[in-house]
Amino acid sequence: QVQLQESGPGLVKPSQTLSLICTVSGGSIGYGGYYWSWIRQHPGKGLEWIGYIDHRGAAYYSPSLSSRVSISVDTSKNQFSLKLDSVTAADTAVYYCARAELYGDYEGAFDFWGQGTLVTVSS
Amino acid sequence: SSELTQDPAVSVALGQTVRITCQGDSLRSYSASWYQQRPGQAPVLVIYSKNKRPSGIPDRFSGSSSRDTASLTITGAQAEDEADYYCNSRDNVKNLLGMFGGGTKLTVL
Repeated sequence: QVQLQESGPGLVKPSQTLSLICTVSGGSIGYGGYYWSWIRQHPGKGLEWIGYIDHRGAAYYSPSLSSRVSISVDTSKNQFSLKLDSVTAADTAVYYCARAELYGDYEGAFDFWGQGTLVTVSS
Repeated sequence: SSELTQDPAVSVALGQTVRITCQGDSLRSYSASWYQQRPGQAPVLVIYSKNKRPSGIPDRFSGSSSRDTASLTITGAQAEDEADYYCNSRDNVKNLLGMFGGGTKLTVL
């Protein structure tokens, strides 16, 4: 059973960079076939996809966040990371890491999720 | 359109059947997956590839689609099914798995 665990600061100051790490256990990122994802949820709101990366380092981002976001992968540590620049209070959210599997050209799903970590942007 | 639209709230009597819908242009080309999120918990995948259930998901959950609408049906709703439900699909611009519906809060009466 694949498990994912987010880690990182729970409080970030405005204009600084939010940095989170997701550690994967029960499966190897380097094996390939999946996309390692970040999704966030503002308090009381719905899910917002941030982006994902494959085991080779090819990353894909939400157009609304692409100018500020970077996702990287470290297969030797079985981890992947999120960096979000120039944060504001609007970036306060629960951040989830998840594994995505894409089936062919028309289907896909996020099949395993971390428990989520609340990041608050405040001075 | 690059949106998936869900009804904000739906209710169902205990033991009855409920359908939660998700509408969007991308669903004409791409299939939907569905997630259940109980309060304070991470989302859980309940349906993928239109109508497949991951291991451990009860068979009272099923999915279907027609034209631009995907549906999640719970047949014989249980108290533990009370949760938020989100649909998800690829977008029809870049084919990225990044579109989520706004969520439907299901209340079991």
